[in-house]
Amino acid sequence: GAVVSQHPSWVICKSGTSVKIECRSLDFQATTMFWYRQFPKQSLMLMATSNEGSKATYEQGVEKDKFLINHASLTLSTLTVTSAHPEDSSFYICSAKSREEVYNEQFFGPGTRLTVL
Amino acid sequence: ELKVEQNPLFLSMQEGKNYTIYCNYSTTSDRLYWYRQDPGKSLESLFVLLSNGAVKQEGRLMASLDTKARLSTLHITAAVHDLSATYFCAVDGSWGKFQFGAGTQVVVTP
Repeated sequence: GAVVSQHPSWVICKSGTSVKIECRSLDFQATTMFWYRQFPKQSLMLMATSNEGSKATYEQGVEKDKFLINHASLTLSTLTVTSAHPEDSSFYICSAKSREEVYNEQFFGPGTRLTVL
Repeated sequence: ELKVEQNPLFLSMQEGKNYTIYCNYSTTSDRLYWYRQDPGKSLESLFVLLSNGAVKQEGRLMASLDTKARLSTLHITAAVHDLSATYFCAVDGSWGKFQFGAGTQVVVTP
């Protein structure tokens, strides 16, 4: 149980284009999903928290207009990197919390590697 | 603001020997999580520690939590090559957000 998928697993795009990353909870309903980015040899940095049916809450320093997050259902959240530039190249990982989860555990997706040329 | 410090950041282990990774955090929390990350992969959950004095063991790994000292340890017994990875601790902060440590890169050599 508690499986989270991400799609695509990797993507290469040209500078200036937009890229959408999907995060799905496959066997549970996720009231909250989190989006992280990770640069090589670094830790995970929380970008935003998304709750189903409401606007995402972004961490300080994260551009809302650049990283659009939509949590349209209890099993799907999307992150759109708009007008991507090479500095947006990173490993993006989502996580999800189950509405039944009493221990506040987050279940992590396999990650999406974005390379912007 | 919750801060999480992990040390060491890099650990070169000899096979067969024992080692400990430390995770200190700055504010009160009763929940701490340990993860393993292999190169190019996402996080794999190792342990969920939910209360003071919690101790969990799986194979050669054992984790403990002391909420009064705001300290968790991940102990590795008789290291083997398969344990080479980066290990992260994460503390459950406000609003259900996790604060991660910087990670400990473990390399096990013969």
